[in-house]
Amino acid sequence: GESVGLHLPTLSVQEGDNSIINCAYSNSASDYFIWYKQESGKGPQFIIDIRSNMDKRQGQRVTVLLNKTVKHLSLQIAATQPGDSAVYFCAENSGTSYGKLTFGQGTILTVHP
Amino acid sequence: ETGVTQSPTHLIKTRGQQVTLRCSSQSGHNTVSWYQQALGQGPQFIFQYYREEENGRGNFPPRFSGLQFPNYSSELNVNALELDDSALYLCASRKQEQNTEAFFGQGTRLTVV
Repeated sequence: GESVGLHLPTLSVQEGDNSIINCAYSNSASDYFIWYKQESGKGPQFIIDIRSNMDKRQGQRVTVLLNKTVKHLSLQIAATQPGDSAVYFCAENSGTSYGKLTFGQGTILTVHP
Repeated sequence: ETGVTQSPTHLIKTRGQQVTLRCSSQSGHNTVSWYQQALGQGPQFIFQYYREEENGRGNFPPRFSGLQFPNYSSELNVNALELDDSALYLCASRKQEQNTEAFFGQGTRLTVV
């Protein structure tokens, strides 16, 4: 992905810790949300998604929480590993245009061994 | 790997020139979206193609245009290049009939000098 930008939020954790990355979305009509991971030199990689009729969804080592009241999304990564180091983006999609993803700012996660 | 391939991986162009970027979608995917990712920012939606027609566009000027071919592959064309067009250009594919995640290619890094 991109070289890190000085203005991106950062999260630094130790290997084995749990990580929580937060995202505020903008469109109250959005009904589908995705978390992507972007490593240096690569395109965004799908991690997990959630639809607006749910407030929690779990994957392998990852959990996404959705709070529609305050338009907030979070990604929890359990037992964070050095390979999890990357930039993480949330993206939202409204039902009016399924293909148009609106991405958040991104958070840089650094995992120290 | 997502099965979405983009070419070229890197490109340097001069201001005022024209550029064509290419994308092959994942097998079974009939919709292709293009995104521009400036340094340190999240991807910005340019447009989407389905059934060889543009069916959604972001806030980009007309000098950004595209094509989709019968095999669902796609091209992004940018005319009259400007310095600010320097970015990572990402292609994503999905099935139009399903509101599911889009799978991204590795991107084309365009530098305009």
